[in-house]
Amino acid sequence: EVQLVESGGGLVQPGRSLRLSCTGSGFTFGDYAMSWVRQAPGKGLEWVGFIRSKGYGGTTEYAASVKGRFAISRDDSKSIAYLQVNSLETEDTAVYYCARHQGGGYDSPIDYWGQGTLVTVSS
Amino acid sequence: DIQMTQSPSSLSASVGDRVTITCRASQSIRRYLNWYQEKPGKAPKLLIYAASSLQSGVPSRFSGSGSGTDFTLTISSLQPEDLATYYCQQSYSTPLTFGGGTKVEIK
Repeated sequence: EVQLVESGGGLVQPGRSLRLSCTGSGFTFGDYAMSWVRQAPGKGLEWVGFIRSKGYGGTTEYAASVKGRFAISRDDSKSIAYLQVNSLETEDTAVYYCARHQGGGYDSPIDYWGQGTLVTVSS
Repeated sequence: DIQMTQSPSSLSASVGDRVTITCRASQSIRRYLNWYQEKPGKAPKLLIYAASSLQSGVPSRFSGSGSGTDFTLTISSLQPEDLATYYCQQSYSTPLTFGGGTKVEIK
């Protein structure tokens, strides 16, 4: 059974940093692209960024709203994807979902989602 | 960036009704269109991918159609468990973008 479990969320002050983790199981983690998607309270889904599988180059892409502040990486040996979030702003308050693409690139749909981890940015 | 516009933003229908949700892309995305269902307090779930392919395990009352810029998600006979918010998403190019969502309520 495919499972994605996020961790690392919490309450953080504006300007600080956090690292979110996403641990996958039940599949060969390295074969799949991974996205991070967030949802602010009462709002819709917003794609944050993603990382291709190593077979597709392992490169990353980001939404304009987070580019330069957020960074995605992966450790396929541990089946973990990371989202490093820096210079946090109150507008970054959201549930952050880790999500698996059906293939190694962004053009494949997201077929599995984690349960999400809440990041609250507040002083 | 490709903008995805869903309509309506909400709807209320009775059990057994046929429900249609539309999604329009700001430019052609061929058939790179996916539909997700988000139930309250749960993570989103893939329903339809590549505009009309039913994800494994999804009831056959869900169907998708369209290509280019105009797409439709249809629930042929609404069930109580279909209470949810539905999102379209394009996977044609980055940044990946979602529609604003359609909240489906049961009368």
